Amino acid sequence: DVVMTQTPLSLSVTPGQPASISCRSSQSLLNSVGNTYLSWFLQKPGQSPQLLIYEVSRRFSGVPDRFSGSGSGTDFTLKISRVEAEDVGVYHCMSGLRLPWTFGQGTKVEI
Amino acid sequence: EVQLVESGGGSVQPGGSLRLSCTASGFTFSTSYMHWVRQRPGKGLVWVSRISNDGTRTDYADSVEGRFTISRDNGRNTVYLQMNSLRGDDTAVYYCVKDRTGTGEYWGQGTLVTVSS
Repeated sequence: DVVMTQTPLSLSVTPGQPASISCRSSQSLLNSVGNTYLSWFLQKPGQSPQLLIYEVSRRFSGVPDRFSGSGSGTDFTLKISRVEAEDVGVYHCMSGLRLPWTFGQGTKVEI
Repeated sequence: EVQLVESGGGSVQPGGSLRLSCTASGFTFSTSYMHWVRQRPGKGLVWVSRISNDGTRTDYADSVEGRFTISRDNGRNTVYLQMNSLRGDDTAVYYCVKDRTGTGEYWGQGTLVTVSS
C-alpha cells in the first residue's frame, strides 16, 4: 500500500497570512498515462471531508482560488495564499493511484 | 446538486451485523463507482470498499475482507454495506463516497457505527 505522510500535523495560522501543508507518498503517484492521483480534502469541524484539489493541482468546482496544489512524483504541497477563518479544520491528502486509497494522518489548521 | 445520504448506523454488540445504505441523487448513479471510507473517533480516514458502476466488481480492505459485503441497486440509486461479525475496531463513522477516477469527488454526511457490549 502507498503510505502518505503529512507535515506538519498541526498548524496555527493568522488570518490573511499564507499557509502550506506538505504530503509525501512512499511511491510515485504517476500512472502510466501521465496522470498523478493526489487529492486534498478539507474536513471542517463536525463535517465530512470535501474535495479541494485533485490530480495534484486541479481545483474542484467552487473551491476558492486562494487554494492551490503543486508537486510531482512523491512530493506534494497544498498552499493557502491568504487564510480565512472558514479554512479551519483538518486537511487530508489522499493517494488514489490504486486500491486501497490511502490517506495522510491529517493536518489540523487552527487560527 | 449531488447528495449522498447514509443511513443504517447504530449500536451493535460484538459479533453482530448492520447494513448501511447510501442513497444518491444529483448525478447519474449507474455510471459511478462508489466507495465506503471510515473514520474512527478522532482518527484519520481509512478506505473500506469499492464497487464498480454495474456492481460486477468489488474490492475490500484486508481488515474487512470476508466480513463486509458491498452491493448496489442502480434502480434505487443506492449502495449498501453489509457488515457482519462486527468487532470493536469497526467502530467509526462510515462515509459513502462518489468516485471520480481516483479521487473522492463527493462525500455523504456519514453514519456512526458503534460496536460495544
